[in-house]
Amino acid sequence: QITLKESGPTLVKPTQTLTLTCTVSEFSLTENGVGVGWIRQPPGKALEWLGIIYWNDDTTYSPSLRGRLTITKDTSNNRVVLALANMDPVDTATYFCAHKRSGTYYTFDYWGQGAPVTVS
Amino acid sequence: QSALTQPASVSGSPGQSVTISCTGTSEDVGKFHFVSWYQQHPGKVPKLIIFDLNSRPLGVSDRFSGSKSGNTASLTISDLQIDDEADYFCCSFVSSGLGVFGGGTRVTVL
Repeated sequence: QITLKESGPTLVKPTQTLTLTCTVSEFSLTENGVGVGWIRQPPGKALEWLGIIYWNDDTTYSPSLRGRLTITKDTSNNRVVLALANMDPVDTATYFCAHKRSGTYYTFDYWGQGAPVTVS
Repeated sequence: QSALTQPASVSGSPGQSVTISCTGTSEDVGKFHFVSWYQQHPGKVPKLIIFDLNSRPLGVSDRFSGSKSGNTASLTISDLQIDDEADYFCCSFVSSGLGVFGGGTRVTVL
């Protein structure tokens, strides 16, 4: 069973950089076609697509965050890392990492439990 | 990239059918069949219920079905049940290579 689990700080100050780690299991980050995406959800609001990293290190980022967002992976430790710079209170949200279903475009079939982050 | 447009809420009685619309543009919903739908109960993680417009993952009830007309995708829930009360989000691939979610729809079972 594929699993993903987010970890990181629950509280960050404005202007700081948020770093979240997504630890995955039961799939390889280097397997052809694999992708791990990041999605966030402000309290009581909609899901927002942030970005994705693929098995070959290609990345795609939401233009609304371009310049602030970096997604990398540490294949030796089965981790995907999100770094979001210059945090603002509007970035307060639960951040999810998710596995992209093979052979699809941005279909996320397995999700982490989410990491709540408050900017204050 | 603007969010896809969904109605804020829909409601129905048990046993009825409800349909949720998801309106995009000719660069996302209208151009591709790469539309997925997620169900999210309060305080829970989103669950994939439809992908590639009208395919269901294993284990998802066939009461959930997807379709599209022009720039609008739709999710239909047939034989509405109490446990279907949740938020539903659509998501589409965009020609620029991005992804975009809808604003979400709250389904209420009367």
